Amino acid sequence: NAGVTQTPKFQVLKTGQSMTLQCAQDMNHNSMYWYRQDPGMGLRLIYYSASEGTTDKGEVPNGYNVSRLNKREFSLRLESAAPSQTSVYFCASSEVLARSEKLFFGSGTQLSVL
Amino acid sequence: LAKTTQPISMDSYEGQEVNITCSHNNIATNDYITWYQQFPSQGPRFIIQGYKTKVTNEVASLFIPADRKSSTLSLPRVSLSDTAVYYCLANSGAGSYQLTFGKGTKLSVIP
Repeated sequence: NAGVTQTPKFQVLKTGQSMTLQCAQDMNHNSMYWYRQDPGMGLRLIYYSASEGTTDKGEVPNGYNVSRLNKREFSLRLESAAPSQTSVYFCASSEVLARSEKLFFGSGTQLSVL
Repeated sequence: LAKTTQPISMDSYEGQEVNITCSHNNIATNDYITWYQQFPSQGPRFIIQGYKTKVTNEVASLFIPADRKSSTLSLPRVSLSDTAVYYCLANSGAGSYQLTFGKGTKLSVIP
């Protein structure tokens, strides 16, 4: 049971380059999320997808785009990377119970933009 | 969404019980309290969740008083491997998609 899988684990980009972070979950969850975490900080929500076919902006969406390819996969794209986007990126999916929600996270992608 | 407030850091010796308190004064009627644990270089991991009174699992206990304006995560007899950041969230079920993590509480366990 893999849970939430993110690729790649590490990436170094030059300013202006583009790349896509991949995320897949095998728990049949409807909701998926992308967070970023800067050193010594908490997690900030970039984008989320409540269900297949829908996406919405979170707290810090500027400079990013997302695609909910199907129920399993939710990708995050940086069109023109900037040094300010150096961070650790976490993908998550959530299990929504009757009255509560529980998040499952991937192991993260450490991205450096030079 | 209910804003939560936690201590930035705590230190504890091995074998002691650790209590981390979270304040959530404007918690909504439907909100649950959820705690996550994050080790360095890993994503957060669900620890425990509760609505009121006391919840216990194999990892921790969660105490929520009747007014629900605060909650306390209790870790019994901590070990070095419990050194991590602990996050407290107050959220309701389906629809609470803007789950926001604050800076959490950095727990350091000392030998």
